Amino acid sequence: KAGVTQTPRYLIKTRGQQVTLSCSPISGHRSVSWYQQTPGQGLQFLFEYFSETQRNKGNFPGRFSGRQFSNSRSEMNVSTLELGDSALYLCASSVTGSDEQFFGPGTRLTVL
Amino acid sequence: AQKITQTQPGMFVQEKEAVTLDCTYDTSDQSYGLFWYKQPSSGEMIFLIYQGSYDEQNATEGRYSLNFQKARKSANLVISASQLGDSAMYFCAMREARTGGSYIPTFGRGTSLIVHP
Repeated sequence: KAGVTQTPRYLIKTRGQQVTLSCSPISGHRSVSWYQQTPGQGLQFLFEYFSETQRNKGNFPGRFSGRQFSNSRSEMNVSTLELGDSALYLCASSVTGSDEQFFGPGTRLTVL
Repeated sequence: AQKITQTQPGMFVQEKEAVTLDCTYDTSDQSYGLFWYKQPSSGEMIFLIYQGSYDEQNATEGRYSLNFQKARKSANLVISASQLGDSAMYFCAMREARTGGSYIPTFGRGTSLIVHP
């Protein structure tokens, strides 16, 4: 069974631009969660989608948004990028959201 | 207040020896779950072990075991017979229940483990 895939793996953007990251969960998994990992703040929960609905949201500004499609694939979007948005963005999937999460390799975003 | 505390920023261990990574947590929930993840330099988070708050026995998965002391709110990870490939960051995480049957996980800041040959 294929694992969680994230594209692209690396991104370089400039301040003010927007970016879209993609996550394909493990087949059969309906829950997709997104995390931001930085050296300063550690691993922080962004949001969780389950069956195309946002079920939980972390403490991030509205510039961070996401969506989930009917095939459970998920995208997250960051608008008006700031230098502080430079981070590793991790996606994780699970069957129900309450069970073990499997993580993807992450997308490393650099904002210049 | 920190919900998950990992007090050891870095740990060193000799190959083939055992090592314990500390984790304490803070919650008022009766039902919660505790996880340990490994993150190699490649960046991918790898699930290691899970302990439910109502589980009476300590969880074990191969060389990994979780020393769960509920009254002390600690969930230490024990790695037996360390291998060079165990060198990585290790994260302790807690899952607390939220309304609607969903959960929000909280992660500790991590412990960097280096295994010496």
